[in-house]
Amino acid sequence: AAGVIQSPRHLIKEKRETATLKCYPIPRHDTVYWYQQGPGQDPQFLISFYEKMQSDKGSIPDRFSAQQFSDYHSELNMSSLELGDSALYFCASSRTTTDTQYFGPGTRLTVL
Amino acid sequence: RKEVEQDPGPFNVPEGATVAFNCTYSNSASQSFFWYRQDCRKEPKLLMSVYSSGNEDGRFTAQLNRASQYISLLIRDSKLSDSATYLCVVNTDGSSNTGKLIFGQGTTLQVKP
Repeated sequence: AAGVIQSPRHLIKEKRETATLKCYPIPRHDTVYWYQQGPGQDPQFLISFYEKMQSDKGSIPDRFSAQQFSDYHSELNMSSLELGDSALYFCASSRTTTDTQYFGPGTRLTVL
Repeated sequence: RKEVEQDPGPFNVPEGATVAFNCTYSNSASQSFFWYRQDCRKEPKLLMSVYSSGNEDGRFTAQLNRASQYISLLIRDSKLSDSATYLCVVNTDGSSNTGKLIFGQGTTLQVKP
């Protein structure tokens, strides 16, 4: 069965650089969520989209922005990267906001 | 105080043991409840949803007590392959219905031969 695809899987950036993470949801899943998991931490909700509209926003810095495109894939844009942004970034998708969320393999971002 | 709280463990048990994990949540508006499993910083994978009536999937049994805002997971006949971090997860969508998940800090299980 098709799963959530994330790219890149690993990313190394310098401080103050920008990064773009991509997420391709499971086919026919209209809802996309982004989560950040720091070292030794549990995943924290960042932002979500339903039918290409932002549906909720969590603890996402103003330096980050995201959108969902017409083909339902989503991109998380991160600017002015800081050392503390080093984390695993997971994307999850579901058919609706009340259905089970399936997680992608994550993007491991390292900021040097 | 975290919205979803778990004992982080670690729980070190021998193969074949029965182990129970507990979790409490603070938001009474929480709608859906899950146990996810996470291996070695890989993605969380759904283990099972949790219902008020309790539900069982093979060696795994989950219970929900809405009055006490308490969730449990019981693993019987532990296998080496059960070694992982178990995340208690709550979907507090309430009236906004956005579906975001709130995670506990996870309980680490190590099953030893």
